[in-house]
Amino acid sequence: DTAVSQTPKYLVTQMGNDKSIKCEQNLGHDTMYWYKQDSKKFLKIMFSYNNKELIINETVPNRFSPKSPDKAHLNLHINSLELGDSAVYFCASSQSGRGAETQYFGPGTRLLVL
Amino acid sequence: QKEVEQDPGPLSVPEGAIVSLNCTYSNSAFQYFMWYRQYSRKGPELLMYTYSSGNKEDGRFTAQVDKSSKYISLFIRDSQPSDSATYLCAMTRRDDKIIFGKGTRLHILP
Repeated sequence: DTAVSQTPKYLVTQMGNDKSIKCEQNLGHDTMYWYKQDSKKFLKIMFSYNNKELIINETVPNRFSPKSPDKAHLNLHINSLELGDSAVYFCASSQSGRGAETQYFGPGTRLLVL
Repeated sequence: QKEVEQDPGPLSVPEGAIVSLNCTYSNSAFQYFMWYRQYSRKGPELLMYTYSSGNKEDGRFTAQVDKSSKYISLFIRDSQPSDSATYLCAMTRRDDKIIFGKGTRLHILP
């Protein structure tokens, strides 16, 4: 019974393409996040949504556009993919979005841009 | 200076040894300190959580925070091969985003 799930797990695509990653949580949490983990394992927040409202929008190229249709789902669409976008993207959720709360991470989506 | 500094390792120790993992930070406003464990090809999971200074123990794991030195530690006693993973320190203020360290790769040798 997966708490935070992401699809797809692997994504290999050409430069310039547009792709989407989907995330769903069944924990009843109000807040969801997207993180990027680079090849050196550095985990950095990109976005967070609380109850479908954008809360955190870090310095991320506007080629990245998150969408939250409801509080259980947070998708990430990436336009015009670049080589530097290759990374593992993690979705996470927490109860109400307070920084001190436990965040529950999905298994990650490994994106490789060729 | 980066907000959170963590030696990426890898750190290799024999089974049964005591492991010490550390992070330093620059923002004195941080109040909540966490350690996440990440197994290969998995998402991070919360291991330990500490508020402000002091120690917290959970089984073989002890988390220590020294706010005066801006230094946090995670100790693992009687280390097991199953402890082999990347350990990420993390910290935050009350209603702010979490800042993660780069993670330390730990290998416990049987």
